[in-house]
Amino acid sequence: SQQGEEDPQALSIQEGENATMNCSYKTSINNLQWYRQNSGRGLVHLILIRSNEREKHSGRLRVTLDTSKKSSSLLITASRAADTASYFCATVTSGSRLTFGEGTQLTVNP
Amino acid sequence: DTGVSQDPRHKITKRGQNVTFRCDPISEHNRLYWYRQTLGQGPEFLTYFQNEAQLEKSRLLSDRFSAERPKGSFSTLEIQRTEQGDSAMYLCASSAPGGRGRETQYFGPGTRLLVL
Repeated sequence: SQQGEEDPQALSIQEGENATMNCSYKTSINNLQWYRQNSGRGLVHLILIRSNEREKHSGRLRVTLDTSKKSSSLLITASRAADTASYFCATVTSGSRLTFGEGTQLTVNP
Repeated sequence: DTGVSQDPRHKITKRGQNVTFRCDPISEHNRLYWYRQTLGQGPEFLTYFQNEAQLEKSRLLSDRFSAERPKGSFSTLEIQRTEQGDSAMYLCASSAPGGRGRETQYFGPGTRLLVL
């Protein structure tokens, strides 16, 4: 079953603009992770934020976590055409299994 | 390339046939995971191993599915008597042992199965 819901389902922007994707989840978590998937390929881990953290940065990526609202956001700044992909949030509640949302399809137009 | 490999990359089979997929994790990783992803959806957890022990199985893993990791290295996922609903991408991932290292899972390229 899917734990998270991502919003929007699809996002189209121009190169250089910022892209923001949101993820909501239902149960308490240990950590939340964001992955990227290029069409027909495997997933690439982008960033992990733990339940006691509120914000993390990695290069052009900024992730926030609000455990009171059970939500997270991923911001990609100064987007590039190569950022075109599907982005998934995944939560870990207990053990090791990742529970993924349905993803946001990001298209960055050159 | 994450270092996790899967074989084959694509498989077309007829309904009722058996298929087997292989996953080779990153060599020092002791945890190995299988997920299934249908078109337009996020991956769904199937099962995972720590070394050769299968520690968790999803209820998605019907009795037609079996996974093994006999020597704690590579893993196989077999689907018996395939059905059209089994058509999906099967993803394998691995993670490092201990503490925070195991939090990040590294995914292979997937095996895309089409059941006709």
